[in-house]
Amino acid sequence: DVKVTQSSRYLVKRTGEKVFLECVQDMDHENMFWYRQDPGLGLRLIYFSYDVKMKEKGDIPEGYSVSREKKERFSLILESASTNQTSMYLCASSFVPIGTEAFFGQGTRLTVV
Amino acid sequence: AQKITQTQPGMFVQEKEAVTLDCTYDTSDPSYGLFWYKQPSSGEMIFLIYQGSYDQQNATEGRYSLNFQKARKSANLVISASQLGDSAMYFCAMRDPNAGNMLTFGGGTRLMVKP
Repeated sequence: DVKVTQSSRYLVKRTGEKVFLECVQDMDHENMFWYRQDPGLGLRLIYFSYDVKMKEKGDIPEGYSVSREKKERFSLILESASTNQTSMYLCASSFVPIGTEAFFGQGTRLTVV
Repeated sequence: AQKITQTQPGMFVQEKEAVTLDCTYDTSDPSYGLFWYKQPSSGEMIFLIYQGSYDQQNATEGRYSLNFQKARKSANLVISASQLGDSAMYFCAMRDPNAGNMLTFGGGTRLMVKP
């Protein structure tokens, strides 16, 4: 069974903390994505990785960084969390061909207080 | 930059009726892929249907079909015979090789099915 696993379902962090959101996939997908989802704004792409150690900025990369040291793992890092980063974060992965769908993790609801 | 627009933030449909969810997109590349996902209240993202830009036929998957009008850059999702379990958020998305195959989403439409 296809699986994308995010390390936490719910997370509460303090302003200024460094936050790591982890995502692991077991499908040998080349592509991995991090999105944030806010009401009325849909899913906005933060970062995208198409290979190990490769990354591309999405639409809203400010305040975030990513790490992909292994093919199966893609980490999202909030260097200094702020309250406006309170959101639902979704990780996804896919094969390279354009016609292949992405598979999503269950999401991490992050609250920054 | 590619862009996906869903103009209907929310819609009601009577159970057993058909409903169309709108999606328009903008890309300068002739090769791209269009996807629809469903997100029920539980939060998981469920892939529904895919349409490639070069596909001659409109995609269909069970009760889901995609009304693809390439010249108008629209890819509307049609759900036939709505069921109560269809109540969810629906997202249109696009992959564009000129954008590194990133998957970009629209703002979503909340569909509510009335009994």
